[in-house]
Amino acid sequence: DQQVKQNSPSLSVQEGRISILNCDYTNSMFDYFLWYKKYPAEGPTFLISISSIKDKNEDGRFTVFLNKSAKHLSLHIVPSQPGDSAVYFCAARRSGTSYGKLTFGQGTILTVHP
Amino acid sequence: DTEVTQTPKHLVMGMTNKKSLKCEQHMGHRAMYWYKQKAKKPPELMFVYSYEKLSINESVPSRFSPECPNSSLLNLHLHALQPEDSALYLCASSRISGETQYFGPGTRLLVL
Repeated sequence: DQQVKQNSPSLSVQEGRISILNCDYTNSMFDYFLWYKKYPAEGPTFLISISSIKDKNEDGRFTVFLNKSAKHLSLHIVPSQPGDSAVYFCAARRSGTSYGKLTFGQGTILTVHP
Repeated sequence: DTEVTQTPKHLVMGMTNKKSLKCEQHMGHRAMYWYKQKAKKPPELMFVYSYEKLSINESVPSRFSPECPNSSLLNLHLHALQPEDSALYLCASSRISGETQYFGPGTRLLVL
């Protein structure tokens, strides 16, 4: 049962344009969502998070949008840079989970072309 | 500073060997985690330590044995592993359980 889904395995974007990565979830008990970036042979790097009480959070070039009714979140990167090329994972935490288990999506490979 | 360090970076071991993976953080975090990641898959949680006590074991086989000697260190002891245990092993920490987790670079393990 895949509770967090990233339906696009890959995304290709031109440098300077917007990258939009999408994530859907099925468990309405998730209350906290995170995006991580991962380069090959490295650990995931935390990018940005959003609580379920918000619908938008912004940090520099990165903005995360949350649509609770649709159980959908997206990560916008503007402007995209070649160094953004990596695998992006969305992750969700279930409310009431004292130990903070994260459920990850399958990842989306972003390629930003110069 | 959000640095989590892991040693070794790479490890090759036979099925009869005993080895240990190490993880360290100096951010004052009181929750630490072990994840396993296979190629082209997301990380999968193995263990969670909260205030140096094991709080979650995600039904991990006993050939994996975690240890948290103090609040900054987390070990994963490996014994009698199988080739299918070959993966990237990631350590993470958070200020307390449930908060944003910060990952180390991982240990690439190959079991022959």
